[in-house]
Amino acid sequence: DAKTTQPPSMDCAEGRAANLPCNHSTISGNEYVYWYRQIHSQGPQYIIHGLKNNETNEMASLIITEDRKSSTLILPHATLRDTAVYYCIGTNNAGNMLTFGGGTRLMVKP
Amino acid sequence: DTEVTQTPKHLVMGMTNKKSLKCEQHMGHRAMYWYKQKAKKPPELMFVYSYEKLSINESVPSRFSPECPNSSLLNLHLHALQPEDSALYLCASSPTSGVHNEQFFGPGTRLTVL
Repeated sequence: DAKTTQPPSMDCAEGRAANLPCNHSTISGNEYVYWYRQIHSQGPQYIIHGLKNNETNEMASLIITEDRKSSTLILPHATLRDTAVYYCIGTNNAGNMLTFGGGTRLMVKP
Repeated sequence: DTEVTQTPKHLVMGMTNKKSLKCEQHMGHRAMYWYKQKAKKPPELMFVYSYEKLSINESVPSRFSPECPNSSLLNLHLHALQPEDSALYLCASSPTSGVHNEQFFGPGTRLTVL
């Protein structure tokens, strides 16, 4: 399984960029990296996913290193509503299931 | 409608009770999922249904019995649960079961087993 490692917690000032790192050194060449977040008392919410190229959508940007051993999720202008647990997710060996890592608890402060 | 609904929001049951959790989506999705989430832990996949057929069972004990009566509904029948089964049970759906598909999660049912 593609194991992911994230720092357990991070703080970010409101309005600043939040950069959330993830190590996934065991990921194989055709495995995507997925990011979801879970706001307190809600189900997880999809953010973005990528394979080797950097990706951007209306929520965030995903920067994947050339060797694909790590990636960074960037929230360009964090707001208080971005306070959540952010999961960097790989897949199992069969490639048919998401396997959640431990997640980073992001606290956005005023 | 881009919502997955789950009922009930909270459930307290004894170890001898039989209860059911319900999940519903009207997005036309053909894959539906049950996850279990213990406090301060990430979600863990339990079951995947694809086109109303069970496609993945992650070695879940038989006291949990999933059912997919149609493409919009997913049930989880509970019987003879243990206190350690207390957790948040999350339902999700996606257009098909491939991992590249965004999964839409419901808010979960918080289950307490006494």
